[in-house]
Amino acid sequence: DGGITQSPKYLFRKEGQNVTLSCEQNLNHDAMYWYRQDPGQGLRLIYYSQIVNDFQKGDIAEGYSVSREKKESFPLTVTSAQKNPTAFYLCASSRADTNTGELFFGEGSRLTVL
Amino acid sequence: GEDVEQSLFLSVREGDSSVINCTYTDSSSTYLYWYKQEPGAGLQLLTYIFSNMDMKQDQRLTVLLNKKDKHLSLRIADTQTGDSAIYFCAETTSGGSYIPTFGRGTSLIVHP
Repeated sequence: DGGITQSPKYLFRKEGQNVTLSCEQNLNHDAMYWYRQDPGQGLRLIYYSQIVNDFQKGDIAEGYSVSREKKESFPLTVTSAQKNPTAFYLCASSRADTNTGELFFGEGSRLTVL
Repeated sequence: GEDVEQSLFLSVREGDSSVINCTYTDSSSTYLYWYKQEPGAGLQLLTYIFSNMDMKQDQRLTVLLNKKDKHLSLRIADTQTGDSAIYFCAETTSGGSYIPTFGRGTSLIVHP
């Protein structure tokens, strides 16, 4: 079945460590997104990519980095520069040839910094 | 203020109707969406409405759009315990990159 796969589902890291969250999609979507979700704050856009080898900062990009070397993959690195990295991270994708803006989400990765 | 606003919680009794409300500020909204998030999972699109429509119905779901007041609502008829989730309102606007702006989400709690 087509969909978006995020891994790992749960991740613990010590302060000062970088960690990379994986996001893979087999929907043949051009656009991919990373959101951060905190309780009561909804979804905030970290980075997005509308085409391979190109990506744009979202509203809260500081302390994060991404790459888009393949259409199917959009990994997110949470660096040690991110002050409050504990959160639920959601990856999404969408078609680029439609203006409905419908996003397809993965199941999320919960990062806890100890 | 926020672009998309929702109340944080709604509690209803099983079998009653639920109405979740959302207000938005951008008059150039093109599409408005309702997404559902079950505990520990990602979001799933429930329904969306184009900005030139007033109402859309899909089985137990009814979406009402009041463009004058910039108000969107989602009515769930005969609410079941399986409807307990967080419901997000979102919008896309013309002239933008079609990336939705999300509200904070409304936690719907359905009790027997």
